[in-house]
Amino acid sequence: DTAVSQTPKYLVTQMGNDKSIKCEQNLGHDTMYWYKQDSKKFLKIMFSYNNKELIINETVPNRFSPKSPDKAHLNLHINSLELGDSAVYFCASSQNTGGSGNTIYFGEGSWLTVV
Amino acid sequence: AQSVTQPDIHITVSEGASLELRCNYSYGATPYLFWYVQSPGQGLQLLLKYFSGDTLVQGIKGFEAEFKRSQSSFNLRKPSVHWSDAAEYFCAVGARGTGGFKTIFGAGTRLFVKA
Repeated sequence: DTAVSQTPKYLVTQMGNDKSIKCEQNLGHDTMYWYKQDSKKFLKIMFSYNNKELIINETVPNRFSPKSPDKAHLNLHINSLELGDSAVYFCASSQNTGGSGNTIYFGEGSWLTVV
Repeated sequence: AQSVTQPDIHITVSEGASLELRCNYSYGATPYLFWYVQSPGQGLQLLLKYFSGDTLVQGIKGFEAEFKRSQSSFNLRKPSVHWSDAAEYFCAVGARGTGGFKTIFGAGTRLFVKA
């Protein structure tokens, strides 16, 4: 059983298109995240949700809109895709935001290529 | 602001040799510290973490790390490297800041293992 699963794993799309990446976790965690990993492997948090509520929104273009229908799901919708959006997007979850050594569990990533 | 520095972009080690990956952090209080490993095409997996107690922590796959407050370091070590250890290694610090608790990742160190 995959703890954090995200789909699709690979996505190639043209500039200007709108696309979504879906994520689900079956760990019973309260907190979910979206991270972006660029071509240099740098990993940066984009959003964090706790019990469906947005708690962290880093400086991300508003073309990126996360949606959490319930605490087990956090989807990422991207409008008007640009070349610079090409990256690997990781969904992740943790038990809560308490910070007491919270371990983050990552999905396997979604490789987005914008052409 | 919290930050993590991994001074080595890549390291090459012979199979069977010992390994040390460096990590320095910047945070005003006692941080929560993590090491994650990312194999090619995969998500990140937790190797070990520290948030209190014994400053030498053991992790999976034979890895260990030592927290040194005086040096603001949390270096990862392994006594004998196996070819399967070739991967990208990320040090991370969990800290409370504006917007809540965040886990901030270093830029990663790519480990190459030669036969």
